[in-house]
Amino acid sequence: GQNIDQPTEMTATEGAIVQINCTYQTSGFNGLFWYQQHAGEAPTFLSYNVLDGLEEKGRFSSFLSRSKGYSYLLLKELQMKDSASYLCAVTFWRISGGYNKLIFGAGTRLAVHP
Amino acid sequence: GAGVSQSPRYKVAKRGQDVALRCDPISGHVSLFWYQQALGQGPEFLTYFQNEAQLDKSGLPSDRFFAERPEGSVSTLKIQRTQQEDSAVYLCASSVSTGTNYGYTFGSGTRLTVV
Repeated sequence: GQNIDQPTEMTATEGAIVQINCTYQTSGFNGLFWYQQHAGEAPTFLSYNVLDGLEEKGRFSSFLSRSKGYSYLLLKELQMKDSASYLCAVTFWRISGGYNKLIFGAGTRLAVHP
Repeated sequence: GAGVSQSPRYKVAKRGQDVALRCDPISGHVSLFWYQQALGQGPEFLTYFQNEAQLDKSGLPSDRFFAERPEGSVSTLKIQRTQQEDSAVYLCASSVSTGTNYGYTFGSGTRLTVV
């Protein structure tokens, strides 16, 4: 399988920084996405990593280490509207079928409080 | 269309009833995925289409679940003889290519409640 693990819940204070970790099995790895999902809504794209290192986009940054099967999403200057689920998703190359299979972790529910 | 469209937005089905869920991907998108998302969980892979070809249906929970994309555009997920454990949000996602760097666009989902 392609187990993707991330913490179930996290809490943080408005204005603070929070880091959400994600680990995955490395076999067949072909890219990693972070999505934000508010209750009752579709996942929305936050970031994409395919090479090692840090990708920064405004208040959000994502890091990838392919050799360790590890990524994190860093959220800075937290706002109340950042309260949502954060989904780590990995594409694995499937030899049988010849396509990239997008698999999700269970999601991390982040609660931001004043 | 501008985005991925799913219909109906909400569906209530009596146990044993058949349902059909529709996904209208972005025009020209090659790849199409279906996911099942239970409350408080991440999306679980159901099936994948590349154009009209169903390359992977390993995530379909049982033979009551069937998906098709006959002309390589609109896709339908059909669930026969619905059961309470089928209650979930069903998400559809599409991508312009088979590669990963163009990303995936998700529809708003269909919330299925089986009573």
